Amino acid sequence: DTGVSQNPRHKITKRGQNVTFRCDPISEHNRLYWYRQTLGQGPEFLTYFQNEAQLEKSRLLSDRFSAERPKGSFSTLEIQRTEQGDSAMYLCASSLGLAGGSYNEQFFGPGTRLTVL
Amino acid sequence: QQPVQSPQAVILREGEDAVINCSSSKALYSVHWYRQKHGEAPVFLMILLKGGEQKGHEKISASFNEKKQQSSLYLTASQLSYSGTYFCGTDDHTGTASKLTFGTGTRLQVTL
Repeated sequence: DTGVSQNPRHKITKRGQNVTFRCDPISEHNRLYWYRQTLGQGPEFLTYFQNEAQLEKSRLLSDRFSAERPKGSFSTLEIQRTEQGDSAMYLCASSLGLAGGSYNEQFFGPGTRLTVL
Repeated sequence: QQPVQSPQAVILREGEDAVINCSSSKALYSVHWYRQKHGEAPVFLMILLKGGEQKGHEKISASFNEKKQQSSLYLTASQLSYSGTYFCGTDDHTGTASKLTFGTGTRLQVTL
């Protein structure tokens, strides 16, 4: 049973650098989500894909953030010109979504912990 | 707006019961419950849907009061493995369906 995987697990970067994270969802899942989690808080929604279409982006997501899901399989999240405030755990989740509903559980990956120095 | 969970933290002895509450200011379509251990990903526990349908863990139960936009998670005969932070995630069906807004979290510690 292969769950959601994320790479890298940890990333340390200097302020101003660009970083890219990858998420591989459970293979038959058509929905993929990115969340950000800071210490002591619950995950915050960033963006969501159904297949290859990016259907929603949070207002929290500045222009420095971009996400893609080419071919509806893996996804990448890129942060340009990183800031110290971007330091967080970036979580990816996938689900088998039915039209119009949230009937199915979202399975989370282990996350990528980003530290911006 | 983020749902509010209570209590913020609770300490139990093994075998005791606990209730964790989740309250939203918005009308909800569904409530999802997760448990997260330190340094690990959130793990799915339960979904409660508007209309009464539930999907989830055999040993954990929950309720969903649609009129009050509240959900409660019931942990009975707690085990050491129940320790962690519990989050409710709510779907109010604004924007695209299935986006979850997570609560503030409840830290549960089970001791011997």
